[in-house]
Amino acid sequence: AQKVTQAQTEISVVEKEDVTLDCVYETRDTTYYLFWYKQPPSGELVFLIRRNSFDEQNEISGRYSWNFQKSTSSFNFTITASQVVDSAVYFCALSEGYGNKLVFGAGTILRVKS
Amino acid sequence: GAVVSQHPSWVICKSGTSVKIECRSLDFQATTMFWYRQFPKQSLMLMATSNEGSKATYEQGVEKDKFLINHASLTLSTLTVTSAHPEDSSFYICSAAEGLLAEAFFGQGTRLTVV
Repeated sequence: AQKVTQAQTEISVVEKEDVTLDCVYETRDTTYYLFWYKQPPSGELVFLIRRNSFDEQNEISGRYSWNFQKSTSSFNFTITASQVVDSAVYFCALSEGYGNKLVFGAGTILRVKS
Repeated sequence: GAVVSQHPSWVICKSGTSVKIECRSLDFQATTMFWYRQFPKQSLMLMATSNEGSKATYEQGVEKDKFLINHASLTLSTLTVTSAHPEDSSFYICSAAEGLLAEAFFGQGTRLTVV
């Protein structure tokens, strides 16, 4: 069965600090997709990244970067030079096969203080 | 990405009444739609999968007679919460995909409060 674990319930940082959000997943499939979403207080899910299981290259998008390591079944997310606007709940998610049915982690609340 | 619109954004209803939530794909044909529920301070849990023209598939523990899902067209799926009670108060969010192998896109979500 699929499972996504986000062990960090809540993280507080001061603006401009770097922060890494951990995500560990379990799946029996060799083909799967991993996602990160941001959920601000307004509630909508903001798509951040989608990565398939065959692409282990790390990715950088502005202040955001992702480290995908199949050997440890982890897909961690780092925000560099955090800003107050980064404050939100961040969800890691997994879909098996080429499917689009997602299993979400519990989420990590990120609080960035000025 | 593709656009999925959910309506209403929020709704307050009285206990015992029914509420309908709409999920529309605006610029693509969604053969598959998913409905998720998020209780306060919790994660999102899949409730059901609907395929256009067929009955929805519900996840374990979700009452299909209480949460009626209709996916009658390629651009619209509806979730009706029947005889709503305060414990149904939650954030309901849909996602839509062009097919089983296609990426799914999320709507904005609907916050339901039952009083």
